[in-house]
Amino acid sequence: KAGVTQTPRYLIKTRGQQVTLSCSPISGHRSVSWYQQTPGQGLQFLFEYFSETQRNKGNFPGRFSGRQFSNSRSEMNVSTLELGDSALYLCASSLGTVNTGELFFGEGSRLTVL
Amino acid sequence: DAKTTQPTSMDCAEGRAANLPCNHSTISGNEYVYWYRQIHSQGPQYIIHGLKNNETNEMASLIITEDRKSSTLILPHATLRDTAVYYCIVSYTGNQFYFGTGTSLTVIP
Repeated sequence: KAGVTQTPRYLIKTRGQQVTLSCSPISGHRSVSWYQQTPGQGLQFLFEYFSETQRNKGNFPGRFSGRQFSNSRSEMNVSTLELGDSALYLCASSLGTVNTGELFFGEGSRLTVL
Repeated sequence: DAKTTQPTSMDCAEGRAANLPCNHSTISGNEYVYWYRQIHSQGPQYIIHGLKNNETNEMASLIITEDRKSSTLILPHATLRDTAVYYCIVSYTGNQFYFGTGTSLTVIP
């Protein structure tokens, strides 16, 4: 079955712009979570959506937001981009039940902010 | 979620077992131990998880001490493809992970 698909894979933006990243989870998965990976901070949890509701949230400013649609696809948005937002943004999907074990990660969207 | 401590890096000879330790001394009773790995430029990959019993799957074995304050991931016959950063994580739910810095494992031919 198809894996987690993230689009776009690469993008370049300038400071002050906004960006929207998309994630299509594995069919049947109801949970989508987002992570930011940078060389300095490593992998950091942004938020998790389950059945269109944000269920968990990491420690990021309000410029970072997300949503999930009824088909479980998710988008995340970063407004007023800063240089420090340059990162690999990873999406992961799962069934969403507690401790079933496996998050399936996509290949990520690499954002460069100039 | 409890914090974990892992060695920064390790080497292992190809074909030998790789034993990756993890300390999670503040783990609470309902937190699971998870292991993921990340090969350069790819998304993390699930390896194994457990609560208190030892677990084994086709990729690895997970040994959790009786007091649950530490665990060891064992890759029984390391190959060059196992070179990656390995993350040990503890989590209440398995749906929200706080990755640390992990252990960079290099498998040497």
